[in-house]
Amino acid sequence: DQQVKQNSPSLSVQEGRISILNCDYTNSMFDYFLWYKKYPAEGPTFLISISSIKDKNEDGRFTVFLNKSAKHLSLHIVPSQPGDSAVYFCAASDFGNEKLTFGTGTRLTIIP
Amino acid sequence: DAGVIQSPRHEVTEMGQEVTLRCKPISGHNSLFWYRQTMMRGLELLIYFNNNVPIDDSGMPEDRFSAKMPNASFSTLKIQPSEPRDSAVYFCASTNIGGNIQYFGAGTRLSVL
Repeated sequence: DQQVKQNSPSLSVQEGRISILNCDYTNSMFDYFLWYKKYPAEGPTFLISISSIKDKNEDGRFTVFLNKSAKHLSLHIVPSQPGDSAVYFCAASDFGNEKLTFGTGTRLTIIP
Repeated sequence: DAGVIQSPRHEVTEMGQEVTLRCKPISGHNSLFWYRQTMMRGLELLIYFNNNVPIDDSGMPEDRFSAKMPNASFSTLKIQPSEPRDSAVYFCASTNIGGNIQYFGAGTRLSVL
């Protein structure tokens, strides 16, 4: 049973436009959410996170939005750059629990 | 900081052989995680340790898989005997107990022929 779902395996976006990656979760105990970015032949690297007490967290070009009632979060990248082409994983945890549950990932391709 | 170090980076073996993957966590981190990445299931947690003690091994697929952490700076994931369906990329990650952000190694790409 996939508790964290990324329903779009891939996404292509024009350079300079906004990229929106989506993630849904089913476990209502999750209260901390993260996005990781992965380049080929490298391990995932932490990108941005949000706790359930917030509905938005921003870091430069990256913003994560959380809709607790819909059990949905999204990552917005604006403007998109070629270096953003990577696989993005959504992850979730219970607060204070170091165990993360990951989604299956979305491959983002930025078209120059 | 050297980050999480995994070896080997690539492993090609034949069905039935024993495979051992190695991981050195970030110094000072006391939680260590082993993941497997596949197209179908994304990043699956296999097992994790706190202070060298296995806490949750519910993700270990079969008895063919075993993991140890003999000390704070070293862990192994062993597959014996290996099968073609074990082919995947295996990642190790570390953090502090209670920490939410995990730091990953570069992974070991395993191919079982």
